[in-house]
Amino acid sequence: EIVLTQSPATLSLSPGERATLSCRASQSVSNYLAWYQQKPGQAPRLLIFNASNRATGIPVRFSGSGSGTDFTLTISSLEPEDFAVYYCQHRSNWPYTFGQGTKLEIK
Amino acid sequence: EVQLVESGGGLVQPGGSLRLSCAASGFTFSSSAMNWVRQAPGKGLEWVSSFSVTGGTTYYADSVKGRFTISRDNSKSTLYLQMNSLRDEDTAVYYCAKSTSYLGVIDYWGQGTLVTVSS
Repeated sequence: EIVLTQSPATLSLSPGERATLSCRASQSVSNYLAWYQQKPGQAPRLLIFNASNRATGIPVRFSGSGSGTDFTLTISSLEPEDFAVYYCQHRSNWPYTFGQGTKLEIK
Repeated sequence: EVQLVESGGGLVQPGGSLRLSCAASGFTFSSSAMNWVRQAPGKGLEWVSSFSVTGGTTYYADSVKGRFTISRDNSKSTLYLQMNSLRDEDTAVYYCAKSTSYLGVIDYWGQGTLVTVSS
């Protein structure tokens, strides 16, 4: 099973700042990595798939990069609605797994 | 508009069974891979099971293999998860989720149904 490790566990930033979230895989997942956002009491929402492709309707301030074992989700300028928990997830082989999440909180 | 509506959650004793249903609408259900993902209270996400449209292949997490069965009725646009031999650690919100053209990418989620396993 491929383990995804996200860092940091918690990120405290202010609106307008740039956020950089990391996801590291225990073995290569090529570019088969997605990012999801989850707000309290809500289902997750797809942000990025195949490492760098924005999902439909996702603002351009969200971008993804990386391949192999190291991936990054960047939010260029934080909006108030961006404070949430973010999960990475791979689909390289079964079982698909998620990272443990990064909580992005308002500083 | 894509809609996924789960039902069937509730309180069950350890060792008991439960069947979850997910009524889908707004897309061609028979052409879409479907999934169950769960989230224990206050915890992260766990991919539980998938039903591929390619050959009808099914996949299970090791934690549920042999106890849970995913199935679908395309005539009713409904996905199911039969859960047997339930354990305390199966307590979670269970989400029904639709894949994109890539099996392992989820573009739509239901609102979730809570399963509580407790005596």
